[in-house]
Amino acid sequence: EAGVTQSPTHLIKTRGQQATLRCSPISGHTSVYWYQQALGLGLQFLLWYDEGEERNRGNFPPRFSGRQFPNYSSELNVNALELEDSALYLCASSLAVGQVEQETQYFGPGTRLLVL
Amino acid sequence: AQSVAQPEDQVNVAEGNPLTVKCTYSVSGNPYLFWYVQYPNRGLQFLLKYITGDNLVKGSYGFEAEFNKSQTSFHLKKPSALVSDSALYFCAVRDPNRDDKIIFGKGTRLHILP
Repeated sequence: EAGVTQSPTHLIKTRGQQATLRCSPISGHTSVYWYQQALGLGLQFLLWYDEGEERNRGNFPPRFSGRQFPNYSSELNVNALELEDSALYLCASSLAVGQVEQETQYFGPGTRLLVL
Repeated sequence: AQSVAQPEDQVNVAEGNPLTVKCTYSVSGNPYLFWYVQYPNRGLQFLLKYITGDNLVKGSYGFEAEFNKSQTSFHLKKPSALVSDSALYFCAVRDPNRDDKIIFGKGTRLHILP
């Protein structure tokens, strides 16, 4: 069974540009989560999508946005990039809310974003 | 509000010795608790979880964790450390009575010394 996949693996942008990161969940998983892992700051929760809807959002500015498609894959968009957006962006997926096993999140390898 | 704390930024253990990585939590009800491991330049890998039942939970790679409700702790343990256990370990908690996200600790870097 394929795990969570993310693309691209690396992304280099300049300040002010936009970045689009993609995530494909494990087959059968309907929830997708996005996290930012900046150096020395642990895992910061960004967004949670389930069945196409945004379920929860972390303390990030509106220029961080995303969406979930009918096939449950997801996109994270970061507009007006700033130098401090440089980080590893991790996507995770889980089963639908309400199933006890849904509490286990399975992570992709991440997209490393570098803003110059 | 729910929260999780990993009081140690780094833990050093000699190979072959037992290891413990500490985690304490705060939730209003009975928690769901998780441990994940992250190897360099990789995503997080699920190790184990406590949902309900036996307080001692066994997981991958010989790791185990004990849920202690009175001390609100969920420490990760392994009887005999391997150099390959060196990685970044994250504890996470969720309050199942709240429609809310999982909260991750800031991580503990484990160094196993040969």
